Amino acid sequence: EAQVTQNPRYLITVTGKKLTVTCSQNMNHEYMSWYRQDPGLGLRQIYYSMNVEVTDKGDVPEGYKVSRKEKRNFPLILESPSPNQTSLYFCASSSDRVVTGANVLTFGAGSRLTVL
Amino acid sequence: AQSVTQLGSHVSVSEGALVLLRCNYSSSVPPYLFWYVQYPNQGLQLLLKYTSAATLVKGINGFEAEFKKSETSFHLTKPSAHMSDAAEYFCAVRAGTYKYIFGTGTRLKVLA
Repeated sequence: EAQVTQNPRYLITVTGKKLTVTCSQNMNHEYMSWYRQDPGLGLRQIYYSMNVEVTDKGDVPEGYKVSRKEKRNFPLILESPSPNQTSLYFCASSSDRVVTGANVLTFGAGSRLTVL
Repeated sequence: AQSVTQLGSHVSVSEGALVLLRCNYSSSVPPYLFWYVQYPNQGLQLLLKYTSAATLVKGINGFEAEFKKSETSFHLTKPSAHMSDAAEYFCAVRAGTYKYIFGTGTRLKVLA
C-alpha cells in the first residue's frame, strides 16, 4: 500500500530535550515536506526537500532541522524543543513527474507533539 | 503571491442538506487549486483538484467544486450532506514548484 509513515504518532517531551520525528514514504517520491497544523492557522510549511541532499526552508523553519540522506526518508529534528513547538505535525510527499503540474500531496497520519 | 482564504471556520448543516464551503484564492498566474479533507485523527486526503482542464471539478464522495475566475473562487459543494462528511476541509493553492499554501480550514458539522 502506498503510504507515508510517521513516528511517533504521539509524544510528550520536556523543553530542551532533542527529539526526531521520522517520516518514510514507499512511493519513490522526489518531493517531501513537513507541515505543522495549529488551530486557526491551518497548515504551515516548515521545510521541504526536492530530492536527496536538497532541502529548503518553508514559512516557519525556526527551531527545526531536516535532512534527506535517502529518497524515502525525511526526518524532522527539534534540537531544543520549546513549548511553542507544541503542535500537530504532518509529513507529505509528492511525485515530481506530473505533466499537469497539479502534484497531489500524500500525507502521513500526523504526529502530535507536546512540549512541557 | 498566491494565497487562499476560507470563509467560515465552522459550518453546520443538517443531514441531507446542501454543503457549501467557501474558498477564495489570490494568484498572479493560472492557479492549481485543491480541496483536502481531514477526518479525526487522520492525515489529509485529496478530495479534488483543479488543473484548468474543466471549471467544474468532481471529486470523491459526491463533492464537487467550481472554478470561477471572475470571482477568484473555488467553493466546495455537495448536494446532500451525510453524517460521514463531518470533518475538517482545507483549500490549497500551489504557490510554486515546491510550495503549497493551505487555508485555515473549515470544520463541517452534520446534524442528525
